[in-house]
Parts: sequence; C-alpha cells; structure tokens
Amino acid sequence: DAKTTQPTSMDCAEGRAANLPCNHSTISGNEYVYWYRQIHSQGPQYIIHGLKNNETNEMASLIITEDRKSSTLILPHATLRDTAVYYCISRGSGGSNYKLTFGKGTLLTVNP
Amino acid sequence: DVKVTQSSRYLVKRTGEKVFLECVQDMDHENMFWYRQDPGLGLRLIYFSYDVKMKEKGDIPEGYSVSREKKERFSLILESASTNQTSMYLCASSSGYSGNTIYFGEGSWLTVV
Repeated sequence: DAKTTQPTSMDCAEGRAANLPCNHSTISGNEYVYWYRQIHSQGPQYIIHGLKNNETNEMASLIITEDRKSSTLILPHATLRDTAVYYCISRGSGGSNYKLTFGKGTLLTVNP
Repeated sequence: DVKVTQSSRYLVKRTGEKVFLECVQDMDHENMFWYRQDPGLGLRLIYFSYDVKMKEKGDIPEGYSVSREKKERFSLILESASTNQTSMYLCASSSGYSGNTIYFGEGSWLTVV
C-alpha cells in the first residue's frame, strides 16, 4: 500500500470547517483512500473512503485531487467531540488488503 | 450500523495466565481480525480469519492463537500471558468483497503483571 503523509497536528475553532490534508503521491490505480479517526482509548472509527470521485456522508466530505496524489477530509462544522487523531490510509482492493497501515496521523484539536 | 463488540474493555492478568479476548460482529462479515496497538508502533496485525475455522497469521502471531467456530465470533487467546503482551487489542471485521471497509471494536486494554 502507498505511503501517506499528514501534518502532525492542526487546530480548528468550534463550528468552523476542519480541512485535513493527506499526501499519497505513490498511490496506485486500484488503491482506495480511507479515513479513520481515533479518540483516546477507543478503537479507530471509520469515517469515509473514496477511489477517484469526491465523496460525502453524514460525517464528512472527501475531496480527492484529479491526479489522486492528495486528498482532503472536510468536517464541515467541527465540534469539541471531533478532537481526535485522524488517519489517512491508502489501501488496495485485493490480496493483502486486510493489512491496514496506520501512520502517526493528524491530531486535530477543536477549540471552543 | 456495524457493531463490533469486544467482551472486555479492561483486564489485568498475571504472568503465565491463559487469557481469552472475545469479539462478536453483527454484520455477517466474512473477515475478522485481531490487531494490537502500542505507542510508537501503530497497529500490528496478529491474526485474521476469512471464514469459519479458517485463520491466517498476521505480522506478530507469536504467543497468540485464535479460534473462529462461528461466523460472528472471533477469539484471541494468549496461551501464557507475558508482560510484553500488555497492550490495547483491537478486533475488526469486514465483508469479503473488494474495497471493503474494516470496522473496529472499542478495544480491550490488557495489562499483564
């Protein structure tokens, strides 16, 4: 699976949009981009994933650049409960796709 | 919503004890996994199962075994617990098709003293 790079930490004001970037310049054509978050002492929570097109669900939006070398997770109206470590992962669709490699992620702190 | 339930959130066991960690999923998923998560080391795959009674070793299977007698249940067994197995253990599940999402349980914090 392709390596991803994310900023170590970010701050966001409560109620504002949080935009979390991720670089995955070596991603291959069949690799999806997945986002998870982990609140301290809990298991990773799935947020969203995509292959080529932008995606939106009730939690977030995922914007993938046309060349697929980077993406942005958008939390449209951040709340204090969104404070967590956010992980961007690229993952293939076959073979050893069970192997999730979580990097260090981005610690998002939402401030009142 | 997908639910992956781990039976114990916090456990304290003694060195040499046999430890069972249980996991149940309610989405009829084919695949189930056990990971451990340690500071600075990220998630590491211990074992996974792609069907009842089937199992495959992950990256760090030594000191662990697993059991999957029913599709919804996947157990991790520490045959003789050691202090270096103190960790957070995460169970996860996914369906069998390509691009499937992996869903995690809440985690089990195991301390071996």
